[in-house]
Amino acid sequence: NAGVTQTPKFQVLKTGQSMTLQCAQDMNHNSMYWYRQDPGMGLRLIYYSASEGTTDKGEVPNGYNVSRLNKREFSLRLESAAPSQTSVYFCASSGGSLGRGMNTEAFFGQGTRLTVV
Amino acid sequence: AQSVSQHNHHVILSEAASLELGCNYSYGGTVNLFWYVQYPGQHLQLLLKYFSGDPLVKGIKGFEAEFIKSKFSFNLRKPSVQWSDTAEYFCAVRTSGTYKYIFGTGTRLKVLA
Repeated sequence: NAGVTQTPKFQVLKTGQSMTLQCAQDMNHNSMYWYRQDPGMGLRLIYYSASEGTTDKGEVPNGYNVSRLNKREFSLRLESAAPSQTSVYFCASSGGSLGRGMNTEAFFGQGTRLTVV
Repeated sequence: AQSVSQHNHHVILSEAASLELGCNYSYGGTVNLFWYVQYPGQHLQLLLKYFSGDPLVKGIKGFEAEFIKSKFSFNLRKPSVQWSDTAEYFCAVRTSGTYKYIFGTGTRLKVLA
């Protein structure tokens, strides 16, 4: 049981390049999330998907797009990377959803360390 | 909008000292509350959680937290810290009616051997 798997683990991009961060979970969870972690700022929510087929903006969505490909997979795309997007990105999933129970925690992947030069 | 405040950004303790990390949230309705730990270079792991019932919850590695509804607080405690507790600790809240987990800015704990 792998839990939440993110690829790649490390990436260096040049300003203006694009890339997609991949995330997959094998826990049959309904909800999936993308966070970025920056020193002194904690984890900030970029986008989330409450269920397959839906996505919503979080606190810091600008410069990002997401796709909930199926129940297992939730990808994050940077169309034109900027140095301000240098960060550690975490994907998470949780089993709860409205109508199915809220009482559940989020499970996190190992993170992707992205540097934009 | 909901928010979570962690007042201690950096804490340095000696081994065997007691620990209390503060967490306050802003939301008047039903909440789920969490403490996560992140060891250096690793992902976030759940320490403990509160959904309902007994406001004193016990987690892994001897940690506990107390939910005080009137103070909108969920402080983390450990009676005697160890060097291996050196990590960053995050408080998080999930409110009724949303799917989102909102995190505080974290507290870096360093335990001196």
